Amino acid sequence: DAKTTQPPSMDCAEGRAANLPCNHSTISGNEYVYWYRQIHSQGPQYIIHGLKNNETNEMASLIITEDRKSSTLILPHATLRDTAVYYCIVRSTNSNSGYALNFGKGTSLLVTP
Amino acid sequence: NAGVTQTPKFQVLKTGQSMTLQCAQDMNHEYMSWYRQDPGMGLRLIHYSVGAGITDQGEVPNGYNVSRSTTEDFPLRLLSAAPSQTSVYFCASSTITGGTEAFFGQGTRLTVV
Repeated sequence: DAKTTQPPSMDCAEGRAANLPCNHSTISGNEYVYWYRQIHSQGPQYIIHGLKNNETNEMASLIITEDRKSSTLILPHATLRDTAVYYCIVRSTNSNSGYALNFGKGTSLLVTP
Repeated sequence: NAGVTQTPKFQVLKTGQSMTLQCAQDMNHEYMSWYRQDPGMGLRLIHYSVGAGITDQGEVPNGYNVSRSTTEDFPLRLLSAAPSQTSVYFCASSTITGGTEAFFGQGTRLTVV
């Protein structure tokens, strides 16, 4: 089973910030939070990841709560090209689980003009 | 950089036929993996490898074989294709240290009739 819970769909107006929530209440201390997105049926595209601290890169910001049980991906100025399915993933660094990226069903983000 | 390259992009098989999906990466990554994605679903791990000569099963390994003779290549074999294996297949690679990005190929769309 996926270890994350995300809303199935969200809308956002073009130019506004898109805030995508994720719950990962059973996350372990050595597991990272990753965000990927998938446009149509292309290969998943990496966005950002973090362990404990908030992170920012040229694409997005990742806010992780202090207890690490939830996080929010922020796209600061959404464009129509950001319409995609966004996956919040916890990745284990434990070899016994295959270092797997545990994909759920993700959030389908629709950016509207 | 080529990144992760998958071939072929599309394939139609008859039930019972065999084929190999190819995956190659040029980033010297130890970790390589195969996922399948069914319509409306997230990705599920089939098999993975943490280095040449080392492979293991993921969440949905039945009907698939893998081998890893070199760091660069990780082929996925279907020995006797079944309609239930109709799916989009993605290959991914990364280092195995925590907190690193996984790179995905663009996928192979397989239809078994």
